[in-house]
Amino acid sequence: QKEVEQDPGPLSVPEGAIVSLNCTYSNSAFQYFMWYRQYSRKGPELLMYTYSSGNKEDGRFTAQVDKSSKYISLFIRDSQPSDSATYLCAMRAGNQFYFGTGTSLTVIP
Amino acid sequence: GAVVSQHPSWVICKSGTSVKIECRSLDFQATTMFWYRQFPKQSLMLMATSNEGSKATYEQGVEKDKFLINHASLTLSTLTVTSAHPEDSSFYICSATRRGGTDTQYFGPGTRLTVL
Repeated sequence: QKEVEQDPGPLSVPEGAIVSLNCTYSNSAFQYFMWYRQYSRKGPELLMYTYSSGNKEDGRFTAQVDKSSKYISLFIRDSQPSDSATYLCAMRAGNQFYFGTGTSLTVIP
Repeated sequence: GAVVSQHPSWVICKSGTSVKIECRSLDFQATTMFWYRQFPKQSLMLMATSNEGSKATYEQGVEKDKFLINHASLTLSTLTVTSAHPEDSSFYICSATRRGGTDTQYFGPGTRLTVL
C-alpha cells in the first residue's frame, strides 16, 4: 500500500465549476499537508500548506484536512481555464516527504 | 520569499558528455535540497536528498556514480549527469527546505535535459 493515494484523473470540468481533489494516506505520523500545482514543463508551485485538521482558505482555494479519516482535500471554487494543471498532494512526517501521483485537471472554457 | 532557481532551464547534449545542473535558493538558506526526475505525464520521482556539507542520500535504484550531487553551500546544490545517454533525457527538478523551518519543499522551475 502506498503511503499516499491520489486519483490521477484526468478530471475535466466546465469553467465556473467547483473542483474537489482528494488524497488519502495511511501514516498517522504525517503532520504537515501540502497541495502543489504543476503546469506542464514547470516545477511544482506551492498552493496550500496546512498543519492541523480543519479548513484553510486562500482565495478560491480551500484545503481541508481530516486526520481522523486520513483524508485531505483541495477545493477550487469558480474554476478557471488557468487552473488547468496537475495538482499534487504532499505530506510530511519529520524530514520525510511523500507525494501523491498527481491529478490532472482541465477546466473547459 | 522562498524562491528556488535552476540553471539551465533546458540543455541539449551529445551522448557521452556530462551535464551539470545548478539549484539555488535565492532568498533563504536551505537545510536540505532534493533532486527529482519526472517523465512526461508522470509524477515526481525522488532521486536523492542532500544536506549542506554532507554526502547525498540516494534513493534505491539511482546510480550514485552517474548522478553526482554536490551540496556545496546552504544556497547551492548541483546535479551532474555523467556520461549522459538518451535514456537520461528527462525533466529534472530540485527543491529545498528552509533552514530552521518546519515547512514544506520549495521547488525550482526544472531543467529539461535532452541527450542526443
